[in-house]
Amino acid sequence: GQQLNQSPQSMFIQEGEDVSMNCTSSSIFNTWLWYKQDPGEGPVLLIALYKAGELTSNGRLTAQFGITRKDSFLNISASIPSDVGIYFCAGQLKAGGTSYGKLTFGQGTILTVHP
Amino acid sequence: DAGVTQSPTHLIKTRGQQVTLRCSPKSGHDTVSWYQQALGQGPQFIFQYYEEEERQRGNFPDRFSGHQFPNYSSELNVNALLLGDSALYLCASSLVGSRGANVLTFGAGSRLTVL
Repeated sequence: GQQLNQSPQSMFIQEGEDVSMNCTSSSIFNTWLWYKQDPGEGPVLLIALYKAGELTSNGRLTAQFGITRKDSFLNISASIPSDVGIYFCAGQLKAGGTSYGKLTFGQGTILTVHP
Repeated sequence: DAGVTQSPTHLIKTRGQQVTLRCSPKSGHDTVSWYQQALGQGPQFIFQYYEEEERQRGNFPDRFSGHQFPNYSSELNVNALLLGDSALYLCASSLVGSRGANVLTFGAGSRLTVL
């Protein structure tokens, strides 16, 4: 089945530093999504990418949909303590008919920000 | 605007028992998906319900079953529990037909511990 390889597995950075993480797949996706999960919570959507080559920003976050449709990256600029958490990439293929479902998730990147 | 609500938040069962988890989707959403998240891993897709029918299913045994009600709420049932079923079970909702159908809104999850 499809698998996503997300790297790095963990990062320890100083407040103010920039962060970069990426995700690669063995097969193509129509949509790439980036989620953040805090302890005891479900994943919260950060950025959604719908087209190959698309570059999208959300505040200090920037993500890109790779032109091969098999990869994506997420950058966080000028990190702050509240950026701490687990970041997940997820890919989705359009299902048949009218239903949209199945996200395939990466293993996650654990981000620690030292003040 | 209520988001996705799940119950119970935590529960402990013993091997061989059965469990039912419940989910109310975000207001306005009509599709519910269930994911299993083992400790330190990304969520894994179990199945998706739309119009009270299972539309897609991941690589999970028949011990995992579900139901969607006319009010779009959903249940996840797991029979003959195994130790390996211990995980955070996440419910996610979306609206079919919208561009954001790809974008799932997750609940905080139900933490199941099997002893």
